Amino acid sequence: KQEVTQIPAALSVPEGENLVLNCSFTDSAIYNLQWFRQDPGKGLTSLLLIQSSQREQTSGRLNASLDKSSGRSTLYIAASQPGDSATYLCAVMDSSYKLIFGSGTRLLVRP
Amino acid sequence: EPEVTQTPSHQVTQMGQEVILRCVPISNHLYFYWYRQILGQKVEFLVSFYNNEISEKSEIFDDQFSVERPDGSNFTLKIRSTKLEDSAMYFCASKREGTTGELFFGEGSRLTVL
Repeated sequence: KQEVTQIPAALSVPEGENLVLNCSFTDSAIYNLQWFRQDPGKGLTSLLLIQSSQREQTSGRLNASLDKSSGRSTLYIAASQPGDSATYLCAVMDSSYKLIFGSGTRLLVRP
Repeated sequence: EPEVTQTPSHQVTQMGQEVILRCVPISNHLYFYWYRQILGQKVEFLVSFYNNEISEKSEIFDDQFSVERPDGSNFTLKIRSTKLEDSAMYFCASKREGTTGELFFGEGSRLTVL
């Protein structure tokens, strides 16, 4: 059974710092991996999608990497801003085309 | 930009009542999903739907739950007799392709069971 783990559970950084969020998964047989952002009480905003054949994807200040064989992904946020404060969720698409989510990393960027 | 829309945004109901949550997926999408998130917990898979039938359902999706795509545009989740523990945010999602498609989520329907 696929398990997705995110470390750390919470992170507080001063504005301007570069930071890395980690995601690991137990079964490397995935089709793709998505990173989402969730604001309190709100829906899921897709940030990046990495196909299983890809190593990384970039969007603005965000860069996500995928190492399928070792079951790891990282989300790199450059020059963090207070508006980046949210919970970041990692999810992998398994062999039956459903997403399995991690518990998320709650990020606070202090002004 | 096309989006998944869900109604209602918030519903309060009494225990034992039936609830229907509605979703309009993106129009050319083929795969449809319901997920739920209990406050403070993980987003959990409930059910997937493809080609007018359930593809997969989780242990959570028991006989009290059902899904329908009644008219080719709406996708509904029905809970027949709500329990206190059904209180959660319910997310609908849709996807176009099989292996490579990105899931797009709606804003969610918050269900509160009293």
